[in-house]
Amino acid sequence: EVQLVESGGGLVQPGRSLKLSCAASGFTFSNYYMAWVRQAPKKGLEWVATISTSGSRTYYPDSVKGRFTISRDNAKSSLYLQMNSLKSEDTATYYCARHRGIGTTSFDYWGQGVMVTVSS
Amino acid sequence: DIVLTQSPALAVSLGQRATISCKTNQNVDYYGNSYMHWYQQKPGQQPKLLIYLASNLASGIPARFSGRGSGTDFTLTIDPVEADDTATYYCQQSRNLPPTFGGGTKLELK
Repeated sequence: EVQLVESGGGLVQPGRSLKLSCAASGFTFSNYYMAWVRQAPKKGLEWVATISTSGSRTYYPDSVKGRFTISRDNAKSSLYLQMNSLKSEDTATYYCARHRGIGTTSFDYWGQGVMVTVSS
Repeated sequence: DIVLTQSPALAVSLGQRATISCKTNQNVDYYGNSYMHWYQQKPGQQPKLLIYLASNLASGIPARFSGRGSGTDFTLTIDPVEADDTATYYCQQSRNLPPTFGGGTKLELK
């Protein structure tokens, strides 16, 4: 059974940093592109970052480019999101998600999400 | 960025057909595939993939769910609707970066 379990969320002040983790199991982690998708309270879904199977390629929307860094450790089947210079508009539930197939395709499995609140 | 537009809400009766639409401002077809996908999200839960590449049923999804469309116009159909289908449904395109989502359609029962 595919499982994605996020951790590392919490309350953080504007301008500070936070690192999210996602532990994957039930599939060969190194074979899949992985992503982070967020959802602000009572709002829709927003893609945040994608990383290739080896980690050599990463993709971000303009809203987080230069502030967020996605990475992975295939030996530990783990995905990470380093978030720097956090803003109040980054407040959201962050989901770890697996891309279906190679490339930035659909997201076929999602974690339960972790809440990040940016507030002073 | 490709913009996806969905109606905010839809109310249907149990056992009837629900048709949820998603329109894009750019063509999301490429080499014979339509890069449109559909998700279901229930309150307090993570999204679940229902349909990928416009019309392909994801693993474990009942055949009551179906998708169709091409180019810029897509639909998700639930027939017949069951009580457990009350949720918000999102479309998502992966034709271009960044992947973008529609605003969601909340399905309610009459």
